[in-house]
Amino acid sequence: EVQLVESGGGLVQPGGSLRLSCAASGFSFSSYEMNWVRQAPGKGLEWVSHISSSSNTIDYADSVKGRFTISRDNAKNSLYLQMNSLRAEDTAVYYCAREVILHYWGQGTLVTVSS
Amino acid sequence: QLVLTQSPSASASLGASVKLTCTLSSGHSGYAITWHQQQPEKGPRFLMKVNNDGSHTKGDEIPDRFSGSSSGAERYLTISSLQSEDEADYYCQTWGTGSWVFGGGTKLTVL
Repeated sequence: EVQLVESGGGLVQPGGSLRLSCAASGFSFSSYEMNWVRQAPGKGLEWVSHISSSSNTIDYADSVKGRFTISRDNAKNSLYLQMNSLRAEDTAVYYCAREVILHYWGQGTLVTVSS
Repeated sequence: QLVLTQSPSASASLGASVKLTCTLSSGHSGYAITWHQQQPEKGPRFLMKVNNDGSHTKGDEIPDRFSGSSSGAERYLTISSLQSEDEADYYCQTWGTGSWVFGGGTKLTVL
């Protein structure tokens, strides 16, 4: 069974940093591209970042470019999102999702940016 | 610019059918899209991928009541024999070079 489990969310002050993790199981993690997608409270889905299976290709939404860094450790079956210079508008539930078609989703982790 | 447009809301009666529409922006009518369901207080779930020829590939354990189709720049999600648990937000999504795009979502109410 494919499972994606996010962790690392929490309350952080504006300007602060947070690192999200996504633990993958039930499939060959190293064979798949991965994405981060977020959803602000009461809003729709917003794509955040993508990484290819070998980390050769990385993409970011304009809203996070220069502040967020996506990475992965295929040996640990894990995906990461380093978030720096956080703003109030980054408050959202963050999901990891597998493949370009977002075939499988995690349950999400809540990030709240507030003083 | 790659944009997906969805109606904000739709409604249909229990047991009836409903057809949700996702429209690709000009110049992008050949793109495949995916449909995702988000029930209240839950994370999104992949429903299916719909290609520009109307063929579709569904996710794990997605009931036969859910189907996809296509016409020009429009991609459709049809839900038949509506059940109460189908009341949810439905998002379409596509991807281009270096970017992934979501539609604004359609909130489906089952009457």
